[in-house]
Amino acid sequence: DTGVSQNPRHKITKRGQNVTFRCDPISEHNRLYWYRQTLGQGPEFLTYFQNEAQLEKSRLLSDRFSAERPKGSFSTLEIQRTEQGDSAMYLCASGKGASEAFFGQGTRLTVV
Amino acid sequence: AQSVAQPEDQVNVAEGNPLTVKCTYSVSGNPYLFWYVQYPNRGLQFLLKYITGDNLVKGSYGFEAEFNKSQTSFHLKKPSALVSDSALYFCAVRDTSGTYKYIFGTGTRLKVLA
Repeated sequence: DTGVSQNPRHKITKRGQNVTFRCDPISEHNRLYWYRQTLGQGPEFLTYFQNEAQLEKSRLLSDRFSAERPKGSFSTLEIQRTEQGDSAMYLCASGKGASEAFFGQGTRLTVV
Repeated sequence: AQSVAQPEDQVNVAEGNPLTVKCTYSVSGNPYLFWYVQYPNRGLQFLLKYITGDNLVKGSYGFEAEFNKSQTSFHLKKPSALVSDSALYFCAVRDTSGTYKYIFGTGTRLKVLA
């Protein structure tokens, strides 16, 4: 499969716990994005990487959120001290040059 | 600030009839416009894009979109709807300031009735 891969697909965690999600982009893609989507809403931009550099981070992203993309390959999104309001679908996308972004199937987070 | 608006939360159409899902945009500079579709519990799938060139853009699964600069619109169309087209459709504009981030509308749920 040469698409964007996200793991895990589902995560249930207790409030206050830390969680980490992984995204493996399409191999030749230098752009990588993280989005958050809640029920009935469009995806909201969280952060953007070009290669290993994090070039933009949304003001929606609190200090509890951090993302990395070591060596410009896979990326991780960590949420510390999860809250119920963090429950959402977290989407990763990748792209190259001026091409469209390709999305993974997402990680659904439920905080109980 | 760049933005897109999808004025309809839901569109119902009978199978075999033409469908239109509306999108208007607000950008500074030339717009890069996209349509994505989302099926339940899935990520977004790319349908089509407008970067430059012909105002009528053809995409996947028989969909097309018409770019209208004077009306700042990019409506999604299909001549004959299928029940399997029922899904959530998102219009997006790509930021041109350097990060290439995508700004999405709130989505339109399309229901095609048999």
